[in-house]
Amino acid sequence: EAQVTQNPRYLITVTGKKLTVTCSQNMNHEYMSWYRQDPGLGLRQIYYSMNVEVTDKGDVPEGYKVSRKEKRNFPLILESPSPNQTSLYFCASSLGWDRASGYTFGSGTRLTVV
Amino acid sequence: AQTVTQSQPEMSVQEAETVTLSCTYDTSENNYYLFWYKQPPSRQMILVIRQEAYKQQNATENRFSVNFQKAAKSFSLKISDSQLGDTAMYFCAFGSANTGNQFYFGTGTSLTVIP
Repeated sequence: EAQVTQNPRYLITVTGKKLTVTCSQNMNHEYMSWYRQDPGLGLRQIYYSMNVEVTDKGDVPEGYKVSRKEKRNFPLILESPSPNQTSLYFCASSLGWDRASGYTFGSGTRLTVV
Repeated sequence: AQTVTQSQPEMSVQEAETVTLSCTYDTSENNYYLFWYKQPPSRQMILVIRQEAYKQQNATENRFSVNFQKAAKSFSLKISDSQLGDTAMYFCAFGSANTGNQFYFGTGTSLTVIP
């Protein structure tokens, strides 16, 4: 089944404790992206990657890191999480050449930083 | 920068009735794509319908259709014969062919279908 797999689904952590949210897709998509969803703000892009070893900042990159060492994986790293990073996070992927196809989303990660 | 505006934070509709969700966007691009995504309580993001800006014909997917007004930069979603399973948050999204695959999302409309 074609899908984007995110883990974990729920995560509660303490301020300053490094964490990684994993994202993997099995569709050979070139493009991958991370969004955060907050009430009243919709989805805002954190980082995106056009292909392996090619990443760039989205609209809200502060406090986050990403890497794209393999085509299928695009982990999101919070080096020192803070309470304002409490949010719902989505990983998404799409074919690089087929922009009309839209995104395939992961099932989301609910992160709480206390 | 592109912006997407959904001016209706919440809406409700009686089961079997029709409801229209509004979306406007701002862009100087001529070649772009528009999408409606549904997010039920399970929080999964599900693509409902898509529209390519160069196509004049409005997209339709079963009970879902759009009214795409390119000059007015408007992209509304019409849900006919509303069902309880349509209860969800709906997001309008814009993607430009000239800015890579970065998509811009509206703030969402929470739709409740009333039995």
